[in-house]
Amino acid sequence: NAGVTQTPKFRVLKTGQSMTLLCAQDMNHEYMYWYRQDPGMGLRLIHYSVGEGTTAKGEVPDGYNVSRLKKQNFLLGLESAAPSQTSVYFCASSYITSYNEQFFGPGTRLTVL
Amino acid sequence: DQQVKQNSPSLSVQEGRISILNCDYTNSMFDYFLWYKKYPAEGPTFLISISSIKDKNEDGRFTVFLNKSAKHLSLHIVPSQPGDSAVYFCAASVRAAGNKLTFGGGTRVLVKP
Repeated sequence: NAGVTQTPKFRVLKTGQSMTLLCAQDMNHEYMYWYRQDPGMGLRLIHYSVGEGTTAKGEVPDGYNVSRLKKQNFLLGLESAAPSQTSVYFCASSYITSYNEQFFGPGTRLTVL
Repeated sequence: DQQVKQNSPSLSVQEGRISILNCDYTNSMFDYFLWYKKYPAEGPTFLISISSIKDKNEDGRFTVFLNKSAKHLSLHIVPSQPGDSAVYFCAASVRAAGNKLTFGGGTRVLVKP
């Protein structure tokens, strides 16, 4: 099992460019999440999904869109990148039960110039 | 306003001694708490958790204590080992709210040989 994988690992964008981050999990988890990590801020939830075809906003959703067309994939899109979106992005997944851990991918380091 | 706070950004401890990491929260609705460990260039990995109906949970060298009246939890690592050097995040969730996690800012632990 690969667990949770993220593509790409690194990316540099110019302000105004767009990109999509891909997250894939092979654990048949129902829930998937996108977080961003900034120094001293811990991880903050951007968007999440409780099942295929469903998405919901987290704590810091502005400037991002997501899609969950397949159960195993969760895409995070930046339509017009801004320097404030420079961060490390983590995807996670979990089972549907309320007492469960989230499994994290290795992260994508994004720099917006 | 951060609902979960780790007030010590770093901690240095001698190998074999106890490491104590602290975490405070403000949202009384939180009823499940977790600790994650993160190495550089990797995603966080689950360490230990505790439900609000308990005040202590042990797993090998790791023990988490919960003081609900003080809205405080702590992680004890005994004995500390050099491989424990990492960033530790505490996280909290409301079980009925889709397993969303709210993270603290993290504490960097350095275990000296």
